[in-house]
Amino acid sequence: ETGVTQTPRHLVMGMTNKKSLKCEQHLGHNAMYWYKQSAKKPLELMFVYSLEERVENNSVPSRFSPECPNSSHLFLHLHTLQPEDSALYLCASSQRTANTEAFFGQGTRLTVV
Amino acid sequence: AQSVTQPDIHITVSEGASLELRCNYSYGATPYLFWYVQSPGQGLQLLLKYFSGDTLVQGIKGFEAEFKRSQSSFNLRKPSVHWSDAAEYFCAVGPFAGSARQLTFGSGTQLTVLP
Repeated sequence: ETGVTQTPRHLVMGMTNKKSLKCEQHLGHNAMYWYKQSAKKPLELMFVYSLEERVENNSVPSRFSPECPNSSHLFLHLHTLQPEDSALYLCASSQRTANTEAFFGQGTRLTVV
Repeated sequence: AQSVTQPDIHITVSEGASLELRCNYSYGATPYLFWYVQSPGQGLQLLLKYFSGDTLVQGIKGFEAEFKRSQSSFNLRKPSVHWSDAAEYFCAVGPFAGSARQLTFGSGTQLTVLP
């Protein structure tokens, strides 16, 4: 148990569906992250929220939409996904965005059919 | 820009044998270095970290890593591997300060442990 909880653990969705991934951290951290982990690729940072400021990776398609209502909760809203979006989506948190380690949730295994 | 290279995609060792996983980084300033482990279907767990000071750092599960600035390396070692160590291992470099705002991960090394 790392103090970062992701739900659901597994999700299967059609390309026309809308779903959301949820992440909650109980560590009192000030930064939260979404990473995408695809087979045989390095971890890809998608979004960073730091003290409720969003920093995004410009290569992330608009069909992924993050939301961070407070420093403990982070969502990833999904709509009209493609099969190549199937991956393990990892949430992480850290005390700050620099000079510190990140703590990861167990991930949501997403399959787009 | 920071980058991390893990030259070995897959390593196989026998249980009880020693282990060394290689990591080379590129970073323009003082790096923060990490090793994470990921079991199948799980998130990443921090094994150890190097921020400053003693270049040999001890981590959980009997792992250690040595920072060598001259070689830009941060190799992970364990003197005697257990079957439960089979997993994927990721080296990462993080920003000391500034606007980088992210950990950069290597591609990972998959460890198989033979009985």
